[in-house]
Amino acid sequence: ETGVTQTPRHLVMGMTNKKSLKCEQHLGHNAMYWYKQSAKKPLELMFVYNFKEQTENNSVPSRFSPECPNSSHLFLHLHTLQPEDSALYLCASSRESGYPSYEQYFGPGTRLTVT
Amino acid sequence: TQLLEQSPQFLSIQEGENLTVYCNSSSVFSSLQWYRQEPGEGPVLLVTVVTGGEVKKLKRLTFQFGDARKDSSLHITAAQPGDTGLYLCAGAMNYGGSQGNLIFGKGTKLSVKP
Repeated sequence: ETGVTQTPRHLVMGMTNKKSLKCEQHLGHNAMYWYKQSAKKPLELMFVYNFKEQTENNSVPSRFSPECPNSSHLFLHLHTLQPEDSALYLCASSRESGYPSYEQYFGPGTRLTVT
Repeated sequence: TQLLEQSPQFLSIQEGENLTVYCNSSSVFSSLQWYRQEPGEGPVLLVTVVTGGEVKKLKRLTFQFGDARKDSSLHITAAQPGDTGLYLCAGAMNYGGSQGNLIFGKGTKLSVKP
């Protein structure tokens, strides 16, 4: 148990569907992150939120829309995805962003398949 | 662009053998973290190294940060089947607006056979 939970764990959606991924952290952290993990590629940082404010958008297509209502919850809203968006989506949290010594803790991920 | 190269990509060994995994970059990192990830799960943090030349031990795992903070190694002594997994290194960026964000290597997939 890492203190970061993600739901759902598995998701299959069509290209015209709209779905949302949810992440919750119970560690008292103030920064939350979305990453994408595809086969044969390094983990790619997508978004960073620090104290509910988005501080990083790593050139992510607009079909991915993050939302951070408070420091404990993070959502990733998905619409009109492409098959190449199929991947493991990981959420992480840390005490704050912007500090290299603050370690990041990951959730178990959502395995997304776009058909 | 900061990149981290991990080697080897795949490693299959027998229980009881020793192994070393390498993480190299041409860039300097403020800190470097090692994670282990099992299939269908998220990465689990093993250790963070911060100071150049630092050595940390976690039971049979020994982590070293290079003097110039550009590279790191993970040595496992007497590997066990429970060590099987994907080992990821991640360097923390040390400049500009992305300070603290992690750059990940592609990982080393380790299989330890009984």
